[in-house]
Amino acid sequence: DARVTQTPRHKVTEMGQEVTMRCQPILGHNTVFWYRQTMMQGLELLAYFRNRAPLDDSGMPKDRFSAEMPDATLATLKIQPSEPRDSAVYFCASGLGHGGRTEAFFGQGTRLTVV
Amino acid sequence: DAKTTQPPSMDCAEGRAANLPCNHSTISGNEYVYWYRQIHSQGPQYIIHGLKNNETNEMASLIITEDRKSSTLILPHATLRDTAVYYCIVRVEGGGSNYKLTFGKGTLLTVNP
Repeated sequence: DARVTQTPRHKVTEMGQEVTMRCQPILGHNTVFWYRQTMMQGLELLAYFRNRAPLDDSGMPKDRFSAEMPDATLATLKIQPSEPRDSAVYFCASGLGHGGRTEAFFGQGTRLTVV
Repeated sequence: DAKTTQPPSMDCAEGRAANLPCNHSTISGNEYVYWYRQIHSQGPQYIIHGLKNNETNEMASLIITEDRKSSTLILPHATLRDTAVYYCIVRVEGGGSNYKLTFGKGTLLTVNP
């Protein structure tokens, strides 16, 4: 059963530390999304990639956040330095971004707590 | 992408049909209606999408009005496991490089025993 895998599932870190979240998209999918979810803001799109190239990262705070796809099987989201306001659940999703369907398959998320 | 309006919450009795409305009065001719749901502590899950014809799959049915200004997601026999936040999203299909999905607040559907 193909699924998007995110690691770690939970992360507690101290303010100022670097945090790296990883995502393994479904094999063959060429579009990867990063979302952040908080109670106040709901689901916010941070960035997304097509064929490993960043298409839109306008939702991401550029000074501390960075998203990359080193290869087709790995997407990373880094926060450096982390702040308490970054506490949220971070979701990765992948999909086949061509022609008709745009359904995105979401991972289980990484729950980040910055203290 | 057109904005959508959904009621913040709804209740449904187990075994009955759940009808979730969505208004998208500013929808354009090339914009599709997508539905996702998010069960507590899980990532969102794709349910169904359509352009102007009604659609049905193993999870749900999507009814789009003739003027396309509103739609209804129907879960024919709701179960307790259908308790979730349901998101209605309107977006252009395959619009060049624009594949992003913008989520609103959604409707919290609570299925009661």
